[in-house]
Amino acid sequence: GAVVSQHPSRVICKSGTSVKIECRSLDFQATTMFWYRQFPKQSLMLMATSNEGSKATYEQGVEKDKFLINHASLTLSTLTVTSAHPEDSSFYICSAVNSRQGNQPQHFGDGTRLSIL
Amino acid sequence: KQEVTQIPAALSVPEGENLVLNCSFTDSAIYNLQWFRQDPGKGLTSLLLIQSSQREQTSGRLNASLDKSSGRSTLYIAASQPGDSATYLCAVRPVGYTGGGNKLTFGTGTQLKVEL
Repeated sequence: GAVVSQHPSRVICKSGTSVKIECRSLDFQATTMFWYRQFPKQSLMLMATSNEGSKATYEQGVEKDKFLINHASLTLSTLTVTSAHPEDSSFYICSAVNSRQGNQPQHFGDGTRLSIL
Repeated sequence: KQEVTQIPAALSVPEGENLVLNCSFTDSAIYNLQWFRQDPGKGLTSLLLIQSSQREQTSGRLNASLDKSSGRSTLYIAASQPGDSATYLCAVRPVGYTGGGNKLTFGTGTQLKVEL
């Protein structure tokens, strides 16, 4: 089945650091990638949608200058949390889909646990 | 605004029991509904996807039903096993979303524990 690789799986860093998370589709063209955030015992909240070669579309309340998304190729999207603070600590999950092929399910990465000290 | 609710929030059953997880959504204008499994600290694994025109889907011991008009879906797990312990999430894809790809609205999840 389709595989999405997310890296790193865990990050612990000091407040003020910028952190980059990568999301790669390994065996299909990910024309669209989604970035989610999940707090403990809560569901996934969509942060932004990125289409390859275009600017990301952010959900209401998500700061685009705080969470920089790049989707420059059909296999890679990155999320950069700039100047991270403790309140940014969370579980971040990406998903990918080939939206050119009609009704395809999203395939999810294994997530990144971000802890800001 | 679509809201997706899952009941119960947590469930503990002995091994071998058949069980039902519930998912309800407020806006019936959906394209499809999907059930996922999430293990602790991990991403999501898709279990079943039901198109809006379908009533149910089956995969092994899992059976998902959809009643779009009443805004409900159930996930039935037969002969539960300890390996089924995980959080189960349902998600709906709205009709008419033009943002690219298939945007999903997730439920709050049911945390299942199957005990020996």
